[in-house]
Amino acid sequence: DGGITQSPKYLFRKEGQNVTLSCEQNLNHDAMYWYRQDPGQGLRLIYYSQIVNDFQKGDIAEGYSVSREKKESFPLTVTSAQKNPTAFYLCASSIRGLNSPLHFGNGTRLTVT
Amino acid sequence: EDKVVQSPLSLVVHEGDTVTLNCSYEVTNFRSLLWYKQEKKAPTFLFMLTSSGIEKKSGRLSSILDKKELFSILNITATQTGDSAVYLCAVEPLLGGSQGNLIFGKGTKLSVKP
Repeated sequence: DGGITQSPKYLFRKEGQNVTLSCEQNLNHDAMYWYRQDPGQGLRLIYYSQIVNDFQKGDIAEGYSVSREKKESFPLTVTSAQKNPTAFYLCASSIRGLNSPLHFGNGTRLTVT
Repeated sequence: EDKVVQSPLSLVVHEGDTVTLNCSYEVTNFRSLLWYKQEKKAPTFLFMLTSSGIEKKSGRLSSILDKKELFSILNITATQTGDSAVYLCAVEPLLGGSQGNLIFGKGTKLSVKP
């Protein structure tokens, strides 16, 4: 079955440590996205990539970094510079082009103490 | 600033009721409006709306867009406990001619009691 796999489901880290969240898709989608979801708030875009080796900052990119070395993979690193990293992180992908809805992974819940 | 506002933020109904969820938006260069259902983890796609006045329907769910008044509604008839979820509305703006990125509302949490 095609889909988006995020790992791990739950992640715990100490403050000051960098942590990398994995996102892999086998849908052959060109575009991939990272969103952050906090209680009582809508999903907010962190980074997105329309094509391999290219990515763009979203609305809340500070304290995060990404890479897109392969079409299937779009890992997100939460750095120690991110002031409030505890959140639910959702990865998504879509076909590049008009009228293409996002397909989401099951998310990673990150807790930093 | 672009924004999407959903109402109500939460709603409790009984099985069999009909509900209407609202989504209004202020977005420059609108391309499309999407509805997603989020039960626990991954939001799942329900509808994409691009044209005014054309109802999209899937089973007991339907949705329509009004581009003049800048809003959309999602209707669910004969609700079931399995409809309990957070319903997300998102608008895709047109950015520089390439695929835009979604602006989400805060969601409406629907609870359907047996």
